[in-house]
Amino acid sequence: EAGVAQSPRYKIIEKRQSVAFWCNPISGHATLYWYQQILGQGPKLLIQFQNNGVVDDSQLPKDRFSAERLKGVDSTLKIQPAKLEDSAVYLCASSLKGGIQAFFGQGTRLTVV
Amino acid sequence: AQSVTQLGSHVSVSEGALVLLRCNYSSSVPPYLFWYVQYPNQGLQLLLKYTSAATLVKGINGFEAEFKKSETSFHLTKPSAHMSDAAEYFCAVSEGGFGNEKLTFGTGTRLTIIP
Repeated sequence: EAGVAQSPRYKIIEKRQSVAFWCNPISGHATLYWYQQILGQGPKLLIQFQNNGVVDDSQLPKDRFSAERLKGVDSTLKIQPAKLEDSAVYLCASSLKGGIQAFFGQGTRLTVV
Repeated sequence: AQSVTQLGSHVSVSEGALVLLRCNYSSSVPPYLFWYVQYPNQGLQLLLKYTSAATLVKGINGFEAEFKKSETSFHLTKPSAHMSDAAEYFCAVSEGGFGNEKLTFGTGTRLTIIP
């Protein structure tokens, strides 16, 4: 069974630039999550999708972050414009509908300079 | 609201010694509890989970954890540390149920194994 795929693995951008991350969940997983992991901290949920609908985006900085899952499968997370404090690892995870176990991708490490 | 506290951001043990990583949680409903391991430049891998069945949960790589409701704890143990156990460990809590499946993580414990 293929795992959660994320790309790119690494990205370096200058502040005020825009960036996008892509995630393809495990086949059949209706629920998709984006987490932000700042160095030295635990992951923090940014947004949760159920199919193509948003379940929870209460911690998503909506002035600069956006995410979509148009066809209920893969998802993109965008930051525009990026700030220095956005430097982090962005983790995508997926689970079955109502499932309590989430499977994580390898993450995208973003460095904003 | 749910939260997790991991005591000790860094733990060092000798190879072959007992590993004990501490986790205390707060939840307004009976929780689901998890331990994840993260190796450098990797994602999170599930070690074990508690889902209101047996209070002593066995996971992969010889790890186990015990759910103690009275102490609101879910400490992770391994009888004998191996060099390959060196990694970052995260405790997490979920309240479950539709819309509440999200994980709330602790700040992590970095485990170092001394040869």
